Amino acid sequence: EADIYQTPRYLVIGTGKKITLECSQTMGHDKMYWYQQDPGMELHLIHYSYGVNSTEKGDLSSESTVSRIRTEHFPLTLESARPSHTSQYLCASSESRGSLGTGELFFGEGSRLTVL
Amino acid sequence: SQQGEEDPQALSIQEGENATMNCSYKTSINNLQWYRQNSGRGLVHLILIRSNEREKHSGRLRVTLDTSKKSSSLLITASRAADTASYFCATDHDYKLSFGAGTTVTVRA
Repeated sequence: EADIYQTPRYLVIGTGKKITLECSQTMGHDKMYWYQQDPGMELHLIHYSYGVNSTEKGDLSSESTVSRIRTEHFPLTLESARPSHTSQYLCASSESRGSLGTGELFFGEGSRLTVL
Repeated sequence: SQQGEEDPQALSIQEGENATMNCSYKTSINNLQWYRQNSGRGLVHLILIRSNEREKHSGRLRVTLDTSKKSSSLLITASRAADTASYFCATDHDYKLSFGAGTTVTVRA
């Protein structure tokens, strides 16, 4: 079992609401990631972080924002949710391996967001 | 973009048979990884193969990598009902992993 936790697992909200998806890991990993996944589709990297106070946008443009104030915590926030934000959001973490490249990613169980 | 593309999109086999799925990608990579996802859950890492390796085994899994053809294959031998899941390849380029859309494998009892 990976020690990475996402809450909530399921969330149904109305348009215009602000939401925060929580992600925490207890493995001391420097690198953390947020992926977005629609059913039967590929995962898209929307945000990543290489450590505290480091955040970068991923390959897929997203209206969400992230913060990394503590090593173990990497929350994702949507200021004003819309139906187009309906998706599954997956958080992951990995060790830093320098020039060896990206190692194994440990994923949380995901947060399935539905915006009405 | 860098993501891998899995083939086939879906595969249905009888318990005890082997399952083979392929992954193609576009540019140079540091390594290639395979993950499994059960319905509605997060992804679980299966195996990592470095760009200078050609084959790797882990239990009933065998992964090959051909960097000249920019392709990889995952073989699951003697499949079980519990192997029913979606399988994704992920390519490590520029220290980020890019995933394909996956192969959905159904193992019939």
